[in-house]
Amino acid sequence: NAGVMQNPRHLVRRRGQEARLRCSPMKGHSHVYWYRQLPEEGLKFMVYLQKENIIDESGMPKERFSAEFPKEGPSILRIQQVVRGDSAAYFCASSPIQGPRLVDLMNTEAFFGQGTRLTVV
Amino acid sequence: RKEVEQDPGPFNVPEGATVAFNCTYSNSASQSFFWYRQDCRKEPKLLMSVYSSGNEDGRFTAQLNRASQYISLLIRDSKLSDSATYLCVVKEGQFYFGTGTSLTVIP
Repeated sequence: NAGVMQNPRHLVRRRGQEARLRCSPMKGHSHVYWYRQLPEEGLKFMVYLQKENIIDESGMPKERFSAEFPKEGPSILRIQQVVRGDSAAYFCASSPIQGPRLVDLMNTEAFFGQGTRLTVV
Repeated sequence: RKEVEQDPGPFNVPEGATVAFNCTYSNSASQSFFWYRQDCRKEPKLLMSVYSSGNEDGRFTAQLNRASQYISLLIRDSKLSDSATYLCVVKEGQFYFGTGTSLTVIP
């Protein structure tokens, strides 16, 4: 069972270009989370998605950032008109389906991909 | 107010020492708790889940105090390889991460 796959691992963009970051969750996982980590800082939540639905986007900047998790294919985090301040590591995590039982809530840890390091020049 | 708060450290301890990290969370309805470990420039990895009764995995012991909304991690007999950032994580829908506590184990 392959882990969470993110690509590309490294991405360089010039200011004003678009960046597309992809995340394929672990097999059987239908929940995807995106986090941003600036150098020497902690993980900052961006968005939580299930297939075809955005559950929580409270951490997403209002402009230039969008995310999707289509029925087929990977989750995409899209940054339009990138600026230098967007340079960071972007991590994707996935977790399994959550059921109604308490035991389903337990142990549903998030598994992380290796991240995409975006550099804006 | 942050959902999860941790002392960022850094903690610098000699090999063999015992070190404890603490974490508080704000949402009393939170159901799931974890400690993750993150090595420099790598992705976070699950260290252990935290259960209500407390749990132990080798040299690592995790405790949860729901009344005080407090989670702890104890590392006994520290090894050089324990040097990393330890992240307290609380799940309530999405995963809320603390900013992490940096540990360096010194020879």
